[in-house]
Amino acid sequence: GAVVSQHPSWVICKSGTSVKIECRSLDFQATTMFWYRQFPKQSLMLMATSNEGSKATYEQGVEKDKFLINHASLTLSTLTVTSAHPEDSSFYICSARVDRVSDTQYFGPGTRLTVL
Amino acid sequence: GNSVTQMEGPVTLSEEAFLTINCTYTATGYPSLFWYVQYPGEGLQLLLKATKADDKGSNKGFEATYRKETTSFHLEKGSVQVSDSAVYFCALIISNDYKLSFGAGTTVTVRA
Repeated sequence: GAVVSQHPSWVICKSGTSVKIECRSLDFQATTMFWYRQFPKQSLMLMATSNEGSKATYEQGVEKDKFLINHASLTLSTLTVTSAHPEDSSFYICSARVDRVSDTQYFGPGTRLTVL
Repeated sequence: GNSVTQMEGPVTLSEEAFLTINCTYTATGYPSLFWYVQYPGEGLQLLLKATKADDKGSNKGFEATYRKETTSFHLEKGSVQVSDSAVYFCALIISNDYKLSFGAGTTVTVRA
């Protein structure tokens, strides 16, 4: 149980285009989903927290107009990288928390974004 | 603020060797501590966790003890296998703040 999927697993796009990444909890309902960014050989950096039915909370330094997050249902959150540039190339990872009192997050396999 | 410091890698070991990855933390509150593992090409998986002082988390032969006095949560395994090759992340979460703070990760390679 507690499986989180991401789609696509990798994407290559041209500079200036927008890319949408989906994060789904497959066998549980996630009240909260998190989006991370991981640079090569570095740790995960929390970008934003997404609660179902409400606006995402962004970490300091993360542009909310650049990284649009929508948590449309208890099993789906999407991250849209708008007007992508090469510096947005990275590994994006989502995670999901089962309930508001749980301290355990379940992670998706990640999405590799390459912007040409 | 909250932060996690773990030993830098990469770490290369032979099979059946003893593995230790050091992890220390600073936290404004009373954290829960975690070790996550990322196998090649896969997402992070929870390896073990401990929620209070002196708790020992264990899984797949790995152990870590929550040491409040030294603010540490070192990961150990007595006899590693090639399949343990992965990146290991130490992390913490504060009980009233759901955000995970990760260490930089330690790459472990086990050779046959």
